[in-house]
Amino acid sequence: QSALTQPASVSGSPGQSITISCTGTSNDIGGYNYVSWYQQYPGKAPKLIISDVSNRPSGVSNRFSGSKSDHTASLTISGLQAEDEADYYCISYTTSTTWVFGGGTKLTVL
Amino acid sequence: QLQLQESGPGLVKPSETLSLTCTVSGGSISTSGFCWVWIRQPPGKGLEWIGNIKDTGTINYNPSLKSRVTISVDTSKNHLSLSLRSVTAADTAVYYCARRRRGSSGLDFWGQGTLITVSS
Repeated sequence: QSALTQPASVSGSPGQSITISCTGTSNDIGGYNYVSWYQQYPGKAPKLIISDVSNRPSGVSNRFSGSKSDHTASLTISGLQAEDEADYYCISYTTSTTWVFGGGTKLTVL
Repeated sequence: QLQLQESGPGLVKPSETLSLTCTVSGGSISTSGFCWVWIRQPPGKGLEWIGNIKDTGTINYNPSLKSRVTISVDTSKNHLSLSLRSVTAADTAVYYCARRRRGSSGLDFWGQGTLITVSS
């Protein structure tokens, strides 16, 4: 199975909004609403920030939102803050009853 | 509060078998409705899904690792296990265990991870 495609890096200034894309196929993202997103700081375990395309777990800032169109899922962070600087990963369920991660995106807050 | 804690040897020689344990505290690993997942991350690289075991006993593996990996649960010890055979340097990674609620895609609880280095 091939990894989902994410941009290697994105950047934005404080207060701005950024969007990270996660592109798959009809065999994964396009076939299910089972996409979640994770935030990871260096040396730390990933943290769930969006599940099932657009559900935000309790305690996660409402500046984080998720969506999906066809084979591409997106994570949007609004009102960018310095603390948002981290790596972000998407994951999707697949038709093979397995799961596949995206390659990860490094977010830099300028 | 649910907590997961991975444990392992730290260093494994090439061609040997890596054995890891994920101890669950603050809840029962046999509670219905949950899946237990292994994920790894090579140094400086991205996350890789290794496999999961559901409360039904169904196990799914990453096709690229399927021939070498075994995941199991020991309900008496409340822990999850991973066995990876014939390891090479490419298996050097931080290994994480995590929990997913069935019917959802979210991995809501993670262990802190344990670094496994494959080297002679």
